[in-house]
Amino acid sequence: QKEVEQNSGPLSVPEGAIASLNCTYSDRGSQSFFWYRQYSGKSPELIMSIYSNGDKEDGRFTAQLNKASQYVSLLIRDSQPSDSATYLCAVIGGSGGGADGLTFGKGTHLIIQP
Amino acid sequence: GAVVSQHPSRVICKSGTSVKIECRSLDFQATTMFWYRQFPKKSLMLMATSNEGSKATYEQGVEKDKFLINHASLTLSTLTVTSAHPEDSSFYICSADLAGSSYEQYFGPGTRLTVT
Repeated sequence: QKEVEQNSGPLSVPEGAIASLNCTYSDRGSQSFFWYRQYSGKSPELIMSIYSNGDKEDGRFTAQLNKASQYVSLLIRDSQPSDSATYLCAVIGGSGGGADGLTFGKGTHLIIQP
Repeated sequence: GAVVSQHPSRVICKSGTSVKIECRSLDFQATTMFWYRQFPKKSLMLMATSNEGSKATYEQGVEKDKFLINHASLTLSTLTVTSAHPEDSSFYICSADLAGSSYEQYFGPGTRLTVT
């Protein structure tokens, strides 16, 4: 059974600071890793994808992957109140071929305080 | 690009009736679409994987005779909740895989189903 673990929070961060979100996964064969943002009552929005060890930066967002530790993180620099949302970590396992469904963590509720 | 639409956005139906939800990829062709369900304050759970022109693959615990999936074209997948009951009330969200994108999935806006 594939599992994705996240701290549910809430994680409170002052505006302008760095928000750090963490995620661990159980399936060592997992190949693809994603961070989604979900506002209350809305569907998830893709923020970042990462597939190889190391860092990947896109604007204010940096995703980090460490496959040996089965750990994925998301850093949000210069946090804004509009970043307040639930952040979902999602994983595609390595056992399937072609397109597979995502296994989601329960999400971390992030609050950016003005 | 990579826009996915769903219809309806919200539906209320009576117990025992059936409801059909449509998922369309508007600006790309999606060989594979996925259906998820999200209960309040819970995360998304994959229900089934839908491939164009073939039978859907259901996750363990999801009744294929209750949740009928049809993927008739590369831009349209439908989910029909048959004989709906109050416990089927949930937020149903589809996603489509953008071919060549290393499995990035783009989500529709979701359909909130309430069964009374």
